[in-house]
Formats: sequence, structure tokens, C-alpha cells
Amino acid sequence: RKEVEQDPGPFNVPEGATVAFNCTYSNSASQSFFWYRQDCRKEPKLLMSVYSSGNEDGRFTAQLNRASQYISLLIRDSKLSDSATYLCVVAATGFQKLVFGTGTRLLVSP
Amino acid sequence: NAGVTQTPKFQVLKTGQSMTLQCAQDMNHNSMYWYRQDPGMGLRLIYYSASEGTTDKGEVPNGYNVSRLNKREFSLRLESAAPSQTSVYFCASSQVATNEKLFFGSGTQLSVL
Repeated sequence: RKEVEQDPGPFNVPEGATVAFNCTYSNSASQSFFWYRQDCRKEPKLLMSVYSSGNEDGRFTAQLNRASQYISLLIRDSKLSDSATYLCVVAATGFQKLVFGTGTRLLVSP
Repeated sequence: NAGVTQTPKFQVLKTGQSMTLQCAQDMNHNSMYWYRQDPGMGLRLIYYSASEGTTDKGEVPNGYNVSRLNKREFSLRLESAAPSQTSVYFCASSQVATNEKLFFGSGTQLSVL
């Protein structure tokens, strides 16, 4: 079983739609969680950290469910510019070794 | 503000050739990393340098060497390239090793024939 698993998609949604992705992780000792965004043929960029109580950044909401070992990303009012691959990243303690998921591809159409 | 700069952007090698990927950051970060990204797999850590003067192996270090030249620069060397090293390579940096907020370079597309 992979340490971090994501549905590769693609998720095809129209502009203005709400879309959600989940990511499951296998290491129960994981302490830190993140969503990175990667545009086609570009470098990953940090989208947001995921906190235990859940957190919001504009149209983006991240949630953590430790009991079921998954994190989620909700995007409201999708924009064309949201089209990208969203990488789930999980870190255990210590060096904070980051484990990257393979990503979920989102395509927002007009 | 350039952030993390990687060179070259593209490279084609023949099996057995050597090359060095260069990386420099201007954010005064202490920690630097080299990752590779392959289709269907997440980014995998090759080597990292938690601070100037130290380097350590990551998940997939075989076939690679690194040098932390100074606080700004961290290079990755392939001594004898193999087709299995065909990949996209990303350099990244963070303020400290325990800070997971990574800043990535724009990547190097490497093909080994």
C-alpha cells in the first residue's frame, strides 16, 4: 500500500462548480499535512497547510480526519485558473520527511 | 526575487555520460533538497542538506552524488547516467529542515538514451 494515495482523476468540472478531493495516508504517526499545486510542466507550489481543526483560504477549504487517516481539499466557485494537479503531502516527525502523493488532476471548463 | 534557480532546464545524455545539475537559492534558506518526479509516482527525495556542510541520503540516492557548495548552492551529480535516471528533477529549499514549506526550482527534464 502506498504511504499516500490520491485519485489521479481527472476531475472535469464547469466553472463555478464545487469540487472536493480526498487523500488517504497510511502512517498513523503523520503529523503535518499539506496541499501543493502543480501546473503542467511546472514546479509544485504550496497551496495550503492542513490543520487539525480544518482551515480555509478564500475558496479553498482543507480538512483533516485523523481517525480515518485522510485529508480533503474543497474548492468552491471553481475558476479556469484552478486547472492543475493537486498534490497531497504528508510528513511524519523528526526530519519531517515529506511523502508526496501522485496528485489529482483538475480540469475546469468554461 | 529569483527564489530557487536550476540549470539546465533540459538535458539529453547517453548512457554512461556524467553531468551535474546546478541549484541556487537566494532566500537565505538553510535546507536544500533534490527530488525526482516520474509518471505515476510522487516526488521522491534523492538527497537533502539540512544545513550548510551536511548532506544525507533520501529515498532514492543510488546513482547520485551531491555537494552543498555553500549556503546558496546545492548540486546533484550523475556519475554514469542510466536510462532509469530519465526523469524530471526538482531542487527545493526551506528555511530549516523541519519546515515543510518547500520552494521549488522550475525543474530539469533529463533524458538518458
